Amino acid sequence: DAGVTQSPTHLIKTRGQQVTLRCSPKSGHDTVSWYQQALGQGPQFIFQYYEEEERQRGNFPDRFSGHQFPNYSSELNVNALLLGDSALYLCASSMRRRTDEKLFFGSGTQLSVL
Amino acid sequence: GQQLNQSPQSMFIQEGEDVSMNCTSSSIFNTWLWYKQDPGEGPVLLIALYKAGELTSNGRLTAQFGITRKDSFLNISASIPSDVGIYFCAGTSSTGTASKLTFGTGTRLQVTL
Repeated sequence: DAGVTQSPTHLIKTRGQQVTLRCSPKSGHDTVSWYQQALGQGPQFIFQYYEEEERQRGNFPDRFSGHQFPNYSSELNVNALLLGDSALYLCASSMRRRTDEKLFFGSGTQLSVL
Repeated sequence: GQQLNQSPQSMFIQEGEDVSMNCTSSSIFNTWLWYKQDPGEGPVLLIALYKAGELTSNGRLTAQFGITRKDSFLNISASIPSDVGIYFCAGTSSTGTASKLTFGTGTRLQVTL
């Protein structure tokens, strides 16, 4: 049973560019959430996708957008990259309708903006 | 964004010692979770707590959901070298779903032989 998989594992971009990160949830999970983890910090919630719609959003600008596909996989897009966007981007999946819903995280994509 | 306060920030302990760390919030949380993160990896769920006062164990790990719903504690007994890593508490508030976790600042655990 594959866990949460993310691609690519590492990425280097320059300021102003755009980036797309991808995530496949754990088998049986229907909800995908994205988190940003800056160096030395805990993860920060970006947004959550369920039934192909953004359901909740954290305190991130509109430059951060996403998508969820019918197979529950998801993409995170960041436009007009800033140096401060350099971080580990984590995808987490869960099964929304469970009363004891638990998040399972992927290994992340390390984004460096130069 | 908001982060929960964890203490201590880091700790060095000897193999075999017991470890305690805690997490506090200024607001009430409905769920408390403890994760461990190794370098280059995502957080791995250790223990989940769903009710105030709940005490739950997972092997050598024991965690408690504080009565006030504003804090949680994690204890590790008889630490071993593979316990090294960063431990994060996380919680969900009344305004969030279980997917929207607020994380703590982390406790870095290092074990000396």
